Amino acid sequence: RKEVEQDPGPFNVPEGATVAFNCTYSNSASQSFFWYRQDCRKEPKLLMSVYSSGNEDGRFTAQLNRASQYISLLIRDSKLSDSATYLCAVTDSNYQLIWGAGTKLIIKP
Amino acid sequence: DAGVTQSPTHLIKTRGQHVTLRCSPISGHKSVSWYQQVLGQGPQFIFQYYEKEERGRGNFPDRFSARQFPNYSSELNVNALLLGDSALYLCASSLTFEQFFGPGTRLTVL
Repeated sequence: RKEVEQDPGPFNVPEGATVAFNCTYSNSASQSFFWYRQDCRKEPKLLMSVYSSGNEDGRFTAQLNRASQYISLLIRDSKLSDSATYLCAVTDSNYQLIWGAGTKLIIKP
Repeated sequence: DAGVTQSPTHLIKTRGQHVTLRCSPISGHKSVSWYQQVLGQGPQFIFQYYEKEERGRGNFPDRFSARQFPNYSSELNVNALLLGDSALYLCASSLTFEQFFGPGTRLTVL
């Protein structure tokens, strides 16, 4: 089992819809969790940190479920510009970041 | 404020050669991490440095080495290049656990 797993997609979603994807992690000792966005052939950009209490930033909401060991990202009122690959990252026992392979999101007009 | 910078942006090498990639972190950030990313995968951790000391090393062969300088900039060196080393090499700087990436160096090994 991979340490961090994501559905590779692609998720094809009409503009204006709500989309959600999850990221599961295997290390119960993980302490920090993040969502990054990566555009084609560009570097990952930090989207948001995921706190135990959840985190909301505009149309984006991230949640952590420690019992089931997954984090989620919800995007409301999706825009064409939201098309990208969304990567999750979690810290391991040595506080290094372990990354998922990413979920590709395509927003269609 | 300047973000993380990396040089060069693109590089073409042949098998057996060596390469040096450079990274300057965000001002005030003392930690630099290096990652390798191939198409369709997430970044794979290579090294982390903090205050010029190696803090972590990923599962990469000894051909890969790095160092951090007193100004917190960093170099990643790869010797005896293989075709499989072709990838995007990313540098990230951090103050806490949140990491901020540079634009990367795209290395092609022929």
